[in-house]
Amino acid sequence: AQTVTQSQPEMSVQEAETVTLSCTYDTSESDYYLFWYKQPPSRQMILVIRQEAYKQQNATENRFSVNFQKAAKSFSLKISDSQLGDAAMYFCAYMAGNKLVFGAGTILRVKS
Amino acid sequence: DGGITQSPKYLFRKEGQNVTLSCEQNLNHDAMYWYRQDPGQGLRLIYYSQIVNDFQKGDIAEGYSVSREKKESFPLTVTSAQKNPTAFYLCASSILEGNEQFFGPGTRLTVL
Repeated sequence: AQTVTQSQPEMSVQEAETVTLSCTYDTSESDYYLFWYKQPPSRQMILVIRQEAYKQQNATENRFSVNFQKAAKSFSLKISDSQLGDAAMYFCAYMAGNKLVFGAGTILRVKS
Repeated sequence: DGGITQSPKYLFRKEGQNVTLSCEQNLNHDAMYWYRQDPGQGLRLIYYSQIVNDFQKGDIAEGYSVSREKKESFPLTVTSAQKNPTAFYLCASSILEGNEQFFGPGTRLTVL
């Protein structure tokens, strides 16, 4: 069974600084997708970034980028120039077929 | 505006009662999903449907039932057989396999 592990229950970052959230996953599939979702206090799930496993190039969306290491089954999220609005729960998720498997989440706190 | 709506936002139920959570989407998505979120945990898949009149069990389907009579609607019934139903329930939809799942705002169910 596929599993997703986020080893950092909570992280803190100073405003304007950079933070990296860790994620590892376990799968025997070769073709899959990986996602980072953000859940602010409103509890609305918002897609942050998406990575296809067949692509070697790391995905980037403005201040958000990933470090995808397929052999190591690692998928970390880097947030640059952190802003107060980045404070939220962040979930790493794995998809093969139509099913999303989520990690337990990392709470990100941003200090002003 | 296109999107996913869930109702009600808050729901209270007495033990032994069935209750139905509504999920509607006007995104013309084929696939729809129901997830359960417990405090400090990631989302877990309850049921999903890829086409009308067809659905599959997810990882925690026991005590739940669904129907997909229309493409736009995917209601979830929490039955009295669900032993610990108090949780936050999220509905999602997507176009195709591997694509982003769009989430509704969620329903908070509390059993009294």
